[in-house]
Amino acid sequence: GDSVTQMEGPVTLSEEAFLTINCTYTATGYPSLFWYVQYPGEGLQLLLKATKADDKGSNKGFEATYRKETTSFHLEKGSVQVSDSAVYFCALTDPGEAGNMLTFGGGTRLMVKP
Amino acid sequence: DVKVTQSSRYLVKRTGEKVFLECVQDMDHENMFWYRQDPGLGLRLIYFSYDVKMKEKGDIPEGYSVSREKKERFSLILESASTNQTSMYLCASSPSYQPQHFGDGTRLSIL
Repeated sequence: GDSVTQMEGPVTLSEEAFLTINCTYTATGYPSLFWYVQYPGEGLQLLLKATKADDKGSNKGFEATYRKETTSFHLEKGSVQVSDSAVYFCALTDPGEAGNMLTFGGGTRLMVKP
Repeated sequence: DVKVTQSSRYLVKRTGEKVFLECVQDMDHENMFWYRQDPGLGLRLIYFSYDVKMKEKGDIPEGYSVSREKKERFSLILESASTNQTSMYLCASSPSYQPQHFGDGTRLSIL
């Protein structure tokens, strides 16, 4: 079945540092890929998405590129802020399924220090 | 904006009680989902529904049931609560072929 693997955290960075959170996937078809973010005490929010190979999703300074050849969707941000401290989840869905089942990675906690 | 509302942010119940967790969405989405989130285990799908009165088991349905009598409301039921059901419960909804939108979660403690 489909699966998502992301780097274990916590990732601790200083403000304005460069962020990379690795995500790789296995899927039988051509999945859509997502990054969700969970701020403390809240539910998950969609951060960005990409639906086909070489697509780049971006939002709030975060970017991720759908790399089919390496089955990866790494999350990057050039300069993190304290307010980016959260748990980040990589996920995929099979676009052929109307039910929109999501397969999640285990989540990566990011802590940004002033 | 899509709004997925879970009835309680925090809930404390006793072992053996029947517990209802309610979720309402205001965007006429076909699909609704219940997950639980536990440290080290990530998010696990309990049940989902792709239409009124329709339900499908997810990865961990044991000890739970669901009800979807109206399109906007999806209820999760713990028939006889046990301490191992202490967790964060997240509801989500989506239209077909579109990303899921999540509620803020219910942190449930079973004593």
